[in-house]
Amino acid sequence: DGGITQSPKYLFRKEGQNVTLSCEQNLNHDAMYWYRQDPGQGLRLIYYSQIVNDFQKGDIAEGYSVSREKKESFPLTVTSAQKNPTAFYLCASTRDRTEAFFGQGTRLTVV
Amino acid sequence: SQKIEQNSEALNIQEGKTATLTCNYTNYSPAYLQWYRQDPGRGPVFLLLIRENEKEKRKERLKVTFDTTLKQSLFHITASQPADSATYLCALHLLTGGGNKLTFGTGTQLKVEL
Repeated sequence: DGGITQSPKYLFRKEGQNVTLSCEQNLNHDAMYWYRQDPGQGLRLIYYSQIVNDFQKGDIAEGYSVSREKKESFPLTVTSAQKNPTAFYLCASTRDRTEAFFGQGTRLTVV
Repeated sequence: SQKIEQNSEALNIQEGKTATLTCNYTNYSPAYLQWYRQDPGRGPVFLLLIRENEKEKRKERLKVTFDTTLKQSLFHITASQPADSATYLCALHLLTGGGNKLTFGTGTQLKVEL
């Protein structure tokens, strides 16, 4: 079945650590996105990528980094520079400007 | 700056009534507007897309309108059921130099009561 897979589902980070969230899709979509969602809030765009080896900052990119070495993969690194990383992270992909498909999300907690 | 606004207050309605949710945007000229449903702890799921040259779109009990003059979309659920309780998000694609920037509103929580 085609879809978008995020892992892990839950992630715990110690203060000062970098952690990487995985996002893989087998839908052959060009565009991929990372969002952050805080309790009771909407989705805020972190980074997006239209093609391999190219990505753009979204509205809240500080403290995050991404790569797009393969069409299928768009990993997100939460760096130690992100002072408040505890949140629900969602990855999505789209073909052109049509519907977005989302992964099941990764819940990151700082311990 | 560009904004997408939805009612932040939860909408509580009785089963069988029609729920109407609002999405307003500023400083955009979107070609498409989309609506998604999100359940707690899950990723959003696509419901409907409406184009700028379409005034209205329907899918089963769902209806979306799009007024590019008012910069507003209305999302209706008729004959609502408790299973419709969820958060509903509107979204716009903004064409930038780096590609399509998909931006979401803050979402409105809908609760359908028996």
